Amino acid sequence: AQSVTQPDIHITVSEGASLELRCNYSYGATPYLFWYVQSPGQGLQLLLKYFSGDTLVQGIKGFEAEFKRSQSSFNLRKPSVHWSDAAEYFCAVRGNQGGKLIFGQGTELSVKP
Amino acid sequence: DVKVTQSSRYLVKRTGEKVFLECVQDMDHENMFWYRQDPGLGLRLIYFSYDVKMKEKGDIPEGYSVSREKKERFSLILESASTNQTSMYLCASSRVGSNTEAFFGQGTRLTVV
Repeated sequence: AQSVTQPDIHITVSEGASLELRCNYSYGATPYLFWYVQSPGQGLQLLLKYFSGDTLVQGIKGFEAEFKRSQSSFNLRKPSVHWSDAAEYFCAVRGNQGGKLIFGQGTELSVKP
Repeated sequence: DVKVTQSSRYLVKRTGEKVFLECVQDMDHENMFWYRQDPGLGLRLIYFSYDVKMKEKGDIPEGYSVSREKKERFSLILESASTNQTSMYLCASSRVGSNTEAFFGQGTRLTVV
């Protein structure tokens, strides 16, 4: 069965600092991986996705993520965080049969001025 | 603009009541999902539907049922609401396929008293 682990429940970074949010997945075959962001009181918005090809994928709002099969990881990064990036971030996995989309526990990001 | 609409943003119900949460999408998507979101637990899949009248249990189906009589509408039913079902409920839809993005509604904050 698919599963996703986000080890960090809450992270605080200073504005302008770099950011890395961790995501580890469990799936027997090639996974389809996603990062979503949820601003307070809002639904989820897709940041980026990976399903094949280049293991470094670019997303919206200056985010990128790197797929590492050997580590079963799909970490999200941003070189310079803005105050507006404060939100909750969710990693998700889907199997190659399509269907169920399974999410991690989420990481809440706070940004210090 | 793509849209997933949940019928209520906030709902307060009494213990033992039958509760219906409605979700409508206007994108002709085959897949629809119901998730429950709780702090520290992320999004947990309750039920998934891949076609009209077709459904599959997610990770936490107990106490819930679903109905999909039309392609655009997916209803979540709490047969007898309990206080431990107080939560945020998120509906999503996607086209068929593993690499397709899921679009989310704004969520329904349900309180059972």
